Amino acid sequence: DAGVTQSPTHLIKTRGQQVTLRCSPKSGHDTVSWYQQALGQGPQFIFQYYEEEERQRGNFPDRFSGHQFPNYSSELNVNALLLGDSALYLCASSPWRGHYEQYFGPGTRLTVT
Amino acid sequence: DQQVKQNSPSLSVQEGRISILNCDYTNSMFDYFLWYKKYPAEGPTFLISISSIKDKNEDGRFTVFLNKSAKHLSLHIVPSQPGDSAVYFCAASLTGNQFYFGTGTSLTVIP
Repeated sequence: DAGVTQSPTHLIKTRGQQVTLRCSPKSGHDTVSWYQQALGQGPQFIFQYYEEEERQRGNFPDRFSGHQFPNYSSELNVNALLLGDSALYLCASSPWRGHYEQYFGPGTRLTVT
Repeated sequence: DQQVKQNSPSLSVQEGRISILNCDYTNSMFDYFLWYKKYPAEGPTFLISISSIKDKNEDGRFTVFLNKSAKHLSLHIVPSQPGDSAVYFCAASLTGNQFYFGTGTSLTVIP
């Protein structure tokens, strides 16, 4: 049983560019959450998707957007990249919305130069 | 505003002794608390959790204590093993739909 998978593993982008990160949830899970983890910090909640809609959002600007597909996989898009967007982006899935235990993927390391 | 805080960035413990990791929170509406363990180049892995209606939960060598009046929780690992060396994050949830993480404590268990 595959766990949460994320792609790509690493990514280098230039300031002002746009990036798309991808996540496939654990089998049987329908809820996906995205987190940003800056160096030396804990994961910060970006947003959560359920039934192809954004259900909860943390304190992140509109440059951060997402999508969930019918197969429950998800994308995180970041526009107009800033140097401060450099971080590890983690995807987590859970079996249903409101379930407390989340399963995390290995993350995508984004570097903005 | 950091709603969940882990004030000790690092902790070193001898193998076989007890490890105690601490976490403080500010929002009394949190209804569930979790501990995650993270190895380098991996995502956090769920370790143990506790509902806000309980004050203790045990799972093998791991015990989590919750003191709601003090808005404090702790994770006890006994006996500590070298394989427990990792970064530990505490997290708090509002209805399971939004989670707040602390900054992590790096635990080193010395053989």
